[in-house]
Amino acid sequence: NAGVMQNPRHLVRRRGQEARLRCSPMKGHSHVYWYRQLPEEGLKFMVYLQKENIIDESGMPKERFSAEFPKEGPSILRIQQVVRGDSAAYFCASSPDLQQVAKNIQYFGAGTRLSVL
Amino acid sequence: ELKVEQNPLFLSMQEGKNYTIYCNYSTTSDRLYWYRQDPGKSLESLFVLLSNGAVKQEGRLMASLDTKARLSTLHITAAVHDLSATYFCAVDTNTDKLIFGTGTRLQVFP
Repeated sequence: NAGVMQNPRHLVRRRGQEARLRCSPMKGHSHVYWYRQLPEEGLKFMVYLQKENIIDESGMPKERFSAEFPKEGPSILRIQQVVRGDSAAYFCASSPDLQQVAKNIQYFGAGTRLSVL
Repeated sequence: ELKVEQNPLFLSMQEGKNYTIYCNYSTTSDRLYWYRQDPGKSLESLFVLLSNGAVKQEGRLMASLDTKARLSTLHITAAVHDLSATYFCAVDTNTDKLIFGTGTRLQVFP
């Protein structure tokens, strides 16, 4: 059973370009979470999705950021018109059924490190 | 807003010594998680503490949870170099997201 897969591992963008980060949850997991980690800081919650639904996006910046988790395919975190302040590590986590969600055991991917030049 | 504070932020300790990392949080929660992160890597789950008084041990690490005091501790016994990493606690808000502490960067030297 493969773990949470994120790609790319590293992404370099120039200011104003778009960044698309992908996350494939563990097999059988239908809950996906995105977190952002700035250098020397802890992880900050961004968004929680289930298949085709955004459950909680309270941590998402109001502009330029969007997330989706379609019925088929990976979850996508999209950042439009990137700025230098978007440079960070973006981690995806997944959890399985409701019982596990109730325990909130989240399994983390290796992260995508975004660098904005 | 829930706040999670860890101390110390940086810890440099000699091999063989013992030390404790503290995690305080500001609101009611009875679920707390400890993670380890190596530089440039993802988070590895260490402990899941699900009730008041929970104590779990794995090797040289032992974690405990006191929900009344809103405090968790991660105790390191007879540290070895392989334990050098950043350790995060994370609190479950009983909603959906985890709130992470600022992390404790541990460096173990000979």
